[in-house]
Amino acid sequence: NAGVTQTPKFQVLKTGQSMTLQCAQDMNHEYMSWYRQDPGMGLRLIHYSVGAGITDQGEVPNGYNVSRSTTEDFPLRLLSAAPSQTSVYFCASSPRADPGQFFGPGTRLTVL
Amino acid sequence: GQQLNQSPQSMFIQEGEDVSMNCTSSSIFNTWLWYKQDPGEGPVLLIALYKAGELTSNGRLTAQFGITRKDSFLNISASIPSDVGIYFCAGSTSGTYKYIFGTGTRLKVLA
Repeated sequence: NAGVTQTPKFQVLKTGQSMTLQCAQDMNHEYMSWYRQDPGMGLRLIHYSVGAGITDQGEVPNGYNVSRSTTEDFPLRLLSAAPSQTSVYFCASSPRADPGQFFGPGTRLTVL
Repeated sequence: GQQLNQSPQSMFIQEGEDVSMNCTSSSIFNTWLWYKQDPGEGPVLLIALYKAGELTSNGRLTAQFGITRKDSFLNISASIPSDVGIYFCAGSTSGTYKYIFGTGTRLKVLA
């Protein structure tokens, strides 16, 4: 199993641009989530999904959209990038019955 | 957003020493998790705790779910250089998949 994969690893955007961060898992996990990690801070939940077709907001959802059309994929869309969205983004997944999450390697995003 | 308070923020220790860190919250949690993050990587789950008072070990690591359900503790015995990294706690309330993460404890081990 590849586990949780994220693409791209690095991305630089200009203010106002849009883009999609990709996340995929091959473990048939029902639960998937997106976090952002800023320097000196813990991870903050952006959006999460408990299964295909079901998504909900986390702590910091503004400026981000998600969808979950398949169990495997959970893309995160930045609608109009802002410098405040410069961060490292992590995707995670877990089986429904197990709260422990498997994290991907992260995407480092810089917005100029 | 809400964050858990972890202490200490950072610590230098000598190889072979024991390490203790803790995490406190103003809210009651029903699940506590401890993660380790190496530079440039995602966090890796170390220990999961599900019940107040629970004490769980994973090799040299031992974690406890505080009886007030507002805190948790992680101990590392006989530290080695590869223990270097950032340790995060995370908690959630019953029936939710929303995890609140602590601010992290950065551990540096001096050989």
